[in-house]
Amino acid sequence: ELKVEQNPLFLSMQEGKNYTIYCNYSTTSDRLYWYRQDPGKSLESLFVLLSNGAVKQEGRLMASLDTKARLSTLHITAAVHDLSATYFCAVDFGTSGSRLTFGEGTQLTVNP
Amino acid sequence: KAGVTQTPRYLIKTRGQQVTLSCSPISGHRSVSWYQQTPGQGLQFLFEYFSETQRNKGNFPGRFSGRQFSNSRSEMNVSTLELGDSALYLCASSTASGSYEQYFGPGTRLTVT
Repeated sequence: ELKVEQNPLFLSMQEGKNYTIYCNYSTTSDRLYWYRQDPGKSLESLFVLLSNGAVKQEGRLMASLDTKARLSTLHITAAVHDLSATYFCAVDFGTSGSRLTFGEGTQLTVNP
Repeated sequence: KAGVTQTPRYLIKTRGQQVTLSCSPISGHRSVSWYQQTPGQGLQFLFEYFSETQRNKGNFPGRFSGRQFSNSRSEMNVSTLELGDSALYLCASSTASGSYEQYFGPGTRLTVT
């Protein structure tokens, strides 16, 4: 079964703190994506990870991919309130790149 | 460059009716995928169209169908609506090459009463 699991599902953290969201997936894939969703809004693309060892950083967010462990991480550094949102990882298990299997999402709340 | 557009943005329908949603992809993108998002099931893949052909299909009943036109615009149709079809329907477009990154539209919020 093609499965993507995220943890934690809920994360409440204080401003200035660091934390990591984990994304495990069930079978081989070289394409993993991270998205952000604000309440009532659509999905905003954050990172595209295409190979083992890939690391991408944007502001306070850094994503990495370990295809051997079937694991991706999204690390948050010195969180600020504006990062409050739901974060999804998604894996393309196919060949066409247009059929994503999403994790459950991690609802992040950053408190002052 | 204009993003993915979806119409209508909000829709209220009655059980048993049918509905058609529209998606216009980013110019030059030939792949359009549809996803359903509900609080209970999360984000689930419906189907993908590429060059007017359905290339992938998710695990949804036959009441859900779609098509793509020669200009890459896509429509999805849901017939005999059920209460459980209430959801946010998201369309995503992609060049279907390179990083295969998908760009999502704002979604159509469908409420079935």
